[in-house]
Amino acid sequence: EPEVTQTPSHQVTQMGQEVILRCVPISNHLYFYWYRQILGQKVEFLVSFYNNEISEKSEIFDDQFSVERPDGSNFTLKIRSTKLEDSAMYFCASIPPRASHTEQYFGPGTRLTVT
Amino acid sequence: RKEVEQDPGPFNVPEGATVAFNCTYSNSASQSFFWYRQDCRKEPKLLMSVYSSGNEDGRFTAQLNRASQYISLLIRDSKLSDSATYLCVVNPGDYGQNFVFGPGTRLSVLP
Repeated sequence: EPEVTQTPSHQVTQMGQEVILRCVPISNHLYFYWYRQILGQKVEFLVSFYNNEISEKSEIFDDQFSVERPDGSNFTLKIRSTKLEDSAMYFCASIPPRASHTEQYFGPGTRLTVT
Repeated sequence: RKEVEQDPGPFNVPEGATVAFNCTYSNSASQSFFWYRQDCRKEPKLLMSVYSSGNEDGRFTAQLNRASQYISLLIRDSKLSDSATYLCVVNPGDYGQNFVFGPGTRLSVLP
């Protein structure tokens, strides 16, 4: 069964550094998402991406964040200058072409630790 | 008012018990509803979609009450492997809109 993949599984970085989190969504999926989950808290939406542009973004997704689909398969989340509070699990998700009750398929996540 | 609310938990139940999870959502225009389960430090995985007529999958039964904006999940004959956090998830709009997650309810099934 096709899966969403993410790399790296764990990233440790120093405050102020830039990080790029990578995702490969399922190949025929159309919408892509980034969510984050701070330890012990709920999953929060960051941004959605459709047709090579941002479809929607949350208040969390400020100027420090950007997303890109540099080729036909990868979908990246860049954090320009990391802060301690960016430490979290970051999940990529995608959905297939329109169907009733379309579920989101999640990747295994990247655990980001900012020191 | 929070968008999706769930029982705070945790629930600690013995093997074989029946356990019920409750969820309410604030956006009356919400379109579709799901229960996901999440194991510690893992990604959410779809447990089941929730349909207006209610639906069952083995030991799991989901119900939706649109008038009350309420969703439930019932697990019968709980197993040790059911131990996880159960997330109530709502799609507030049309296809493509981001999902809104509840805070989750943690379940521990004890031997």
